Amino acid sequence: QKEVEQNSGPLSVPEGAIASLNCTYSDRVSQSFFWYRQYSGKSPELIMSIYSNGDKEDGRFTAQLNKASQYVSLLIRDSQPSDSATYLCAPRDDYKLSFGAGTTVTVRA
Amino acid sequence: DAGVTQSPTHLIKTRGQQVTLRCSPKSGHDTVSWYQQALGQGPQFIFQYYEEEERQRGNFPDRFSGHQFPNYSSELNVNALLLGDSALYLCASSSRHYEQYFGPGTRLTVT
Repeated sequence: QKEVEQNSGPLSVPEGAIASLNCTYSDRVSQSFFWYRQYSGKSPELIMSIYSNGDKEDGRFTAQLNKASQYVSLLIRDSQPSDSATYLCAPRDDYKLSFGAGTTVTVRA
Repeated sequence: DAGVTQSPTHLIKTRGQQVTLRCSPKSGHDTVSWYQQALGQGPQFIFQYYEEEERQRGNFPDRFSGHQFPNYSSELNVNALLLGDSALYLCASSSRHYEQYFGPGTRLTVT
């Protein structure tokens, strides 16, 4: 079983819609969770961090964490063409980040 | 405020050669982590340096080694290069246990 699994993409959403990204992880010890956005040919960019169960909102992004279910999600509201990228989920295990393969989102105008 | 910087941007090496990649962390950060990202995959953790010591290591062979300098900058060395070492090498800096911020990466091609 992979350590971090993300919903397979690509995910295509119309402009203005909500993009929903899911991630499950196998390490029950993980206490910190991060979402990174990676544009094609670029390095990952941190967009959200979440440490406690529940929701955390930052602009058009909302991260949700459920440690009991080992599940973390990211919602992108009012999706824009500039949101087209690969989104990487990364729980922290001790000092390292464990990444999923990512979900590619395409926002169509 | 300069972010994380890496050099070189691109590198082409031949199988069996050795390579050194460099990273300067973001101002105020004292921890450097290195990741390898193959095409179409998420980054894989190589190791992390803190206080000039390797603090944690991922599942990479001993051909991968590193160093951290007193100014917190870091090097990643890879010996006896294999074709499979071709990837984007990412450096991430952080302050202790907090968020990790990535540099632009070094694209290594082994021929």
